[in-house]
Amino acid sequence: QSALTQPASVSGSPGQSITISCSGSRSDVGTYDYVSWYQQHPGKAPKLIIYDVSNRPSGVSNRFSGSKSGNMASLTISGLQTEDEADYYCSSYTSSNTYVFGSGTKVTVL
Amino acid sequence: EVQLVESGGVVVQPGGSLRLSCAASGFTFDDYAMHWVRQAPGKGLEWVSLITWDGIRTYYADSVKGRFTISRDSRKNSLYLQLHSLRTEDTALYYCVKSSDNYCMDVWGKGTTVTVSS
Repeated sequence: QSALTQPASVSGSPGQSITISCSGSRSDVGTYDYVSWYQQHPGKAPKLIIYDVSNRPSGVSNRFSGSKSGNMASLTISGLQTEDEADYYCSSYTSSNTYVFGSGTKVTVL
Repeated sequence: EVQLVESGGVVVQPGGSLRLSCAASGFTFDDYAMHWVRQAPGKGLEWVSLITWDGIRTYYADSVKGRFTISRDSRKNSLYLQLHSLRTEDTALYYCVKSSDNYCMDVWGKGTTVTVSS
């Protein structure tokens, strides 16, 4: 149950697009389309922003989009805004009927 | 409003035990699986455990298997996590989380803090 691999940090200027990668294995990301993404601001609980690889819950901005290819999932934030500065975590269902989170990525808006 | 409120977090010595509780409201508790997720100070999220909607099946992270037990009480709309043989590395903020219909975690509580220290 090793954590999924994410870059420690990603940064961008307001209005730019950034992409966060999430690398897993055939036991999780590569087999199941049950990849989700969570946004966490400092001192707050995580918030679901993407589920089933590319679906957005009601109320989540369409600036957030998700995709997957093989064992790698990605989250793209377009039109970067200051309020997007937060930590982001991917998560996947696994072949052991468990879940695994990514190592987390700190997004900085320059 | 869907709400999850955790309680029970305390300071406990290594080797000790405690029980965390989570009170659920605003949704039909019996219809959904529930998770516990933890976050050590300054660290990332770690999935801990899952219990199915009917309480029949339970699953655990390797790091807590054999030491933690998840359970639920539909009469009280509550989720529990029993923690035994606590280690310093179990120190974390423990979140109660509702599972969606789509294999994701769609509602999170604010968490309760467990500190394992002598």
